[in-house]
Amino acid sequence: DIVMTQSPATLSVSPGERATLSCRASQSVSSNLAWYQQKPGQAPRLLIYGAATRATGIPDRFTGSGSGTEFTLTISSLQSEDFAVYFCQQYNNWPPFTFGPGTKVDIK
Amino acid sequence: QVQLQQWGAGLLKPSETLSLTCAVYGGSFSDFYWSWIRQPPGKGLEWIGEINHSGSANFNPSLRSRGTISVDTSKNQFSLKLSSLTAADTAIYYCARGRFGGSSSPFDYWGQGTLVTVSS
Repeated sequence: DIVMTQSPATLSVSPGERATLSCRASQSVSSNLAWYQQKPGQAPRLLIYGAATRATGIPDRFTGSGSGTEFTLTISSLQSEDFAVYFCQQYNNWPPFTFGPGTKVDIK
Repeated sequence: QVQLQQWGAGLLKPSETLSLTCAVYGGSFSDFYWSWIRQPPGKGLEWIGEINHSGSANFNPSLRSRGTISVDTSKNQFSLKLSSLTAADTAIYYCARGRFGGSSSPFDYWGQGTLVTVSS
């Protein structure tokens, strides 16, 4: 199985500041990497796929980058609605599809 | 607009079998694989398995021996059964739309989730 790791586990950021989240795969997943946002009591929401393509309706303050084993999600200017947990997921090798443990972005 | 609506029993005893169903509204049911994913409270996401309209299924090796996924194309529904439950199976279970055909794709539409609690 491909193991996904994320850092940091928690990121404390002030509204309006930039947030940078990292995701690493135990082996290359090419660009088959997605990012999801999850708020309390809700299902995950697809933000980014193909490592860098925003899903429908996702604002351009969310930017994904990377390929191979190292990936980054950048939120350029945090809005109140962006405080949530963010998961990365690889869909290059399956079964199984695997997710990272998540990064919680909370208010500083 | 694609919507997934899921249902099933929420409180089960150890050794019982979990049974969940997900109905798909809108979009093409036959063009995609349909997955089950679970999340223990406060923890991360674990992919359980997937199925397509013709019944071709893939499972997480860690759960394959206990799980069954089936499909009812006449109703655009798919179902999960997970047997020999233990407390470790307590989680929110989600259905989701996955792979387009044979391609590599993320999970772009999700059901609302069902909390399944396993307790004696």
